[in-house]
Amino acid sequence: DTGVSQDPRHKITKRGQNVTFRCDPISEHNRLYWYRQTLGQGPEFLTYFQNEAQLEKSRLLSDRFSAERPKGSFSTLEIQRTEQGDSAMYLCASSGYTGTAGLQPIYEQYFGPGTRLTVT
Amino acid sequence: GESVGLHLPTLSVQEGDNSIINCAYSNSASDYFIWYKQESGKGPQFIIDIRSNMDKRQGQRVTVLLNKTVKHLSLQIAATQPGDSAVYFCAEIPSSGYSTLTFGKGTMLLVSP
Repeated sequence: DTGVSQDPRHKITKRGQNVTFRCDPISEHNRLYWYRQTLGQGPEFLTYFQNEAQLEKSRLLSDRFSAERPKGSFSTLEIQRTEQGDSAMYLCASSGYTGTAGLQPIYEQYFGPGTRLTVT
Repeated sequence: GESVGLHLPTLSVQEGDNSIINCAYSNSASDYFIWYKQESGKGPQFIIDIRSNMDKRQGQRVTVLLNKTVKHLSLQIAATQPGDSAVYFCAEIPSSGYSTLTFGKGTMLLVSP
């Protein structure tokens, strides 16, 4: 258990429905990331927050996806009008500062167990 | 639980053997590399990291080697145990951006007792 929790662990929904996932990071971490992972692939970055500010979004994050971190603690990821192609594991990670690599600060990321979404 | 290892390269070893898992990374400007272990139904778990100014780093039973010339990373696991069975991913952090990880293709490690 890394200290990052996600809810629900599994979600089955019908195409066209909206779904919302929650991530609770490690309490002292100010950075929070969302990734998507399909079977047989590595996780793919979706979006990233520092405190409550959403600082980066991947091209994978279509207009149907929205993420929030209103108080800089927990985060939610909502998918509207779900499609079968949205079926995947949605992973959340949080990080704290661990040092630098070159000129770049490094933040070690701790992953939650993920939410498995199945769109039928 | 579900499998994260479908259609992945697989390395099968006997308990006690040493394992070597390889990874080719894409961005020659990446500053930082990490190996993650992912067991079925769980999120990735940090194993070991290495910065681009190093070519080798050792942890407990694990060693990471970095060859920047050919953009190659390897993970060596000594005295492999059944509990090491999992999918292993390398990940890099590009020199630009906000420390977001780019994961490589995974390798499934199967350890037989």
